Amino acid sequence: DTEVTQTPKHLVMGMTNKKSLKCEQHMGHRAMYWYKQKAKKPPELMFVYSYEKLSINESVPSRFSPECPNSSLLNLHLHALQPEDSALYLCASSQGNGQGAYNEQFFGPGTRLTVL
Amino acid sequence: GENVEQHPSTLSVQEGDSAVIKCTYSDSASNYFPWYKQELGKGPQLIIDIRSNVGEKKDQRIAVTLNKTAKHFSLHITETQPEDSAVYFCAASTGGFKTIFGAGTRLFVKA
Repeated sequence: DTEVTQTPKHLVMGMTNKKSLKCEQHMGHRAMYWYKQKAKKPPELMFVYSYEKLSINESVPSRFSPECPNSSLLNLHLHALQPEDSALYLCASSQGNGQGAYNEQFFGPGTRLTVL
Repeated sequence: GENVEQHPSTLSVQEGDSAVIKCTYSDSASNYFPWYKQELGKGPQLIIDIRSNVGEKKDQRIAVTLNKTAKHFSLHITETQPEDSAVYFCAASTGGFKTIFGAGTRLFVKA
């Protein structure tokens, strides 16, 4: 299985809602990532988990809260989002432990989020 | 900080022609250079990568070259087909988790 899956595919939420994005991989990868991608732009790194511990937080606002329940799952909890948070949210995974390892990342299809 | 510049931003070719996308990186410690293809409504897909100890790598119609001295790397697609139409991102990494992406090239292959 060389696939990263994400649910839901599309999500529309109001600014007062609480929702969660889910990501799953069964490649035995120990690093998992959340990226945000705006239209016609490259992906922007938000968070990295390595061995289920938060390794990188790229100064993301606290209304985004990541969670890594186990080595195969990654969640992104959303609360009190703003319309400018509307974007494609991508999950990725890689084998590396972040210490000089080459970082071949596999991306999921993304969740298209619209905040009203 | 690390920066990756990518050109052109848009490229239109006739089916069967070749397409070349060029990137320049700023951090001389970069040692891994992946290329991603992103089709509409999908996530980026790794299509080829090259490591700093290699100057060129080929996989069927796709090839990547790396010039470490000039800090340039390029993607070459030969015999282009309509299904090659997509956005292509180059990227650079110094190892570890952070990957710096170029701005992307929108490739159109006209049948």
